[in-house]
Amino acid sequence: DSGVTQTPKHLITATGQRVTLRCSPRSGDLSVYWYQQSLDQGLQFLIQYYNGEERAKGNILERFSAQQFPDLHSELNLSSLELGDSALYFCASSVLENTGELFFGEGSRLTVL
Amino acid sequence: GENVEQHPSTLSVQEGDSAVIKCTYSDSASNYFPWYKQELGKRPQLIIDIRSNVGEKKDQRIAVTLNKTAKHFSLHITETQPEDSAVYFCAASSGGSGGSYIPTFGRGTSLIVHP
Repeated sequence: DSGVTQTPKHLITATGQRVTLRCSPRSGDLSVYWYQQSLDQGLQFLIQYYNGEERAKGNILERFSAQQFPDLHSELNLSSLELGDSALYFCASSVLENTGELFFGEGSRLTVL
Repeated sequence: GENVEQHPSTLSVQEGDSAVIKCTYSDSASNYFPWYKQELGKRPQLIIDIRSNVGEKKDQRIAVTLNKTAKHFSLHITETQPEDSAVYFCAASSGGSGGSYIPTFGRGTSLIVHP
């Protein structure tokens, strides 16, 4: 158990819908990262937050947004869903802002029908 | 930004053989190179990492080598066992030395160890 909690574990929804994925980082970790893993793809970086503030953005679509709350949990919002958004979404946390080991959650598997 | 290439995409070996996975990176500012193992249906977990001031690091049956001049690093697994079967990801990032500190991952290598 990494200490990073993600909910829900599985989610099935239809095109055009909106979903919210939730992540609670390890106790004491201030940095949260979101990654997308599609079939046969590596881990694509979406966005990073550190202590409530957005720190870095990757290839995140405009239909996606995220935030980190004062209690340090983070949410990834995916809207106007398309079939191609079906993927495993991982949240990871780390102690430091800019280096070191990432601790991944178990992921949220999103299926868009 | 950083670009990490990883080869091979699939590696099939017999139990007891060695396995080598290679990665190259593009950003000379990168100085931290972790390797993650992802078993089927599980989360990625760090198995070993190396920083740019070190050329090689070992931990039991696994070792990582780094060639900063060639921007190339490799994972070596000796005496492979069926439980080593998983997808392995390399990554590169920098920490406070310029460049991107966000880990950029390779596309992964599916290692299959046949009993």
